[in-house]
Amino acid sequence: AQSVTQLGSHVSVSEGALVLLRCNYSSSVPPYLFWYVQYPNQGLQLLLKYTSAATLVKGINGFEAEFKKSETSFHLTKPSAHMSDAAEYFCAVSDPGYSTLTFGKGTMLLVSP
Amino acid sequence: KAGVTQTPRYLIKTRGQQVTLSCSPISGHRSVSWYQQTPGQGLQFLFEYFSETQRNKGNFPGRFSGRQFSNSRSEMNVSTLELGDSALYLCASSPTLDRGVRNTEAFFGQGTRLTVV
Repeated sequence: AQSVTQLGSHVSVSEGALVLLRCNYSSSVPPYLFWYVQYPNQGLQLLLKYTSAATLVKGINGFEAEFKKSETSFHLTKPSAHMSDAAEYFCAVSDPGYSTLTFGKGTMLLVSP
Repeated sequence: KAGVTQTPRYLIKTRGQQVTLSCSPISGHRSVSWYQQTPGQGLQFLFEYFSETQRNKGNFPGRFSGRQFSNSRSEMNVSTLELGDSALYLCASSPTLDRGVRNTEAFFGQGTRLTVV
């Protein structure tokens, strides 16, 4: 069975500071990994995905994530936070070839001026 | 290209009633999945349909059911509503062609907010 653990239900940063959201996964097969963002009363928007190609994945809005098999991690980073980045972020895992996603509990990113 | 469309956006129902939610996937997408999102349990997979067949199901009671039509549109139904069914129900479509094909991302609709009173 697959699982995802997101460390920290809330992360607070100042505008312009580094954003680091942590995600660790458990999977019996090489996984596909995803980061989604959710704004209030909205659906999920894909930020980036890892599908066994390059381990450093660049996404939209300046976000990137690095797949580290030895650490079973897929942390999300952004060099400089903007106020508009305030939202909830979800890490998800799936088996290759399957559409079903297993999500972490989410991390709420708070950005202060 | 139009995104995933879910209707209605908001719904209020009474305990014991039943409800049907609708999802129109992105044109050409054949896989439709449903998720329930609650503050306590987070995002949980309900079921997935591909070519009108349910091919995967999450751990939910039989009161939760769904179907997919030949045009890939999908509906989910919840019977005998309980207060705990209050949630945001999200539909996602994927261009996944078949098992064994490299998976691609799921595209989510804005969800239907169901409130059971």
